[in-house]
Amino acid sequence: KAGVTQTPRYLIKTRGQQVTLSCSPISGHRSVSWYQQTPGQGLQFLFEYFSETQRNKGNFPGRFSGRQFSNSRSEMNVSTLELGDSALYLCASSLEGLRSSGANVLTFGAGSRLTVL
Amino acid sequence: AQSVSQHNHHVILSEAASLELGCNYSYGGTVNLFWYVQYPGQHLQLLLKYFSGDPLVKGIKGFEAEFIKSKFSFNLRKPSVQWSDTAEYFCAVNSGGSNYKLTFGKGTLLTVNP
Repeated sequence: KAGVTQTPRYLIKTRGQQVTLSCSPISGHRSVSWYQQTPGQGLQFLFEYFSETQRNKGNFPGRFSGRQFSNSRSEMNVSTLELGDSALYLCASSLEGLRSSGANVLTFGAGSRLTVL
Repeated sequence: AQSVSQHNHHVILSEAASLELGCNYSYGGTVNLFWYVQYPGQHLQLLLKYFSGDPLVKGIKGFEAEFIKSKFSFNLRKPSVQWSDTAEYFCAVNSGGSNYKLTFGKGTLLTVNP
């Protein structure tokens, strides 16, 4: 079956711009969670969506937002980009999400690498 | 807030050496524990997981990990590494309560020299 698909794979933006990243989960998976990966901070949880509802949010400013559509595809948006937002943004999908102990094994996408100049 | 500590930032071994990567977490309740691996140029993928039951869990490619609740640890082991094990390894914890999220350690880069 197809894996988790993230688009675009690479993008370059300038400070102050905004960006939207897309994630298509594995068919049948209802949970999508997002992570920021940087060399200094490692992998940090951004938020999780399940059945179009945000279930949890990490410690990121309000410039980071997301949504999930009825087909489980998810988008995340970063407004007013800063240099420090340069990172690899990963999404992961799972059947029942992070609240379900037995089914919360995540499948990750390849990521979207954002460079802010 | 839960946190995950991986003791080694970079480990360099020769082929056939034994491997142990340390992982400690800070959360006193029920946890689900994972090791993920990121091979060069590839996606993060699950190596092994612990939900409940036998604290010694086996994963893919000969890896295993032991959950020691009293030490809040979930160390990853492999008796004999191969060059193809060169990758970055991440320990992760999902705890219960009202704040379900997956917390990752900062990763350990393993370099295996042939």
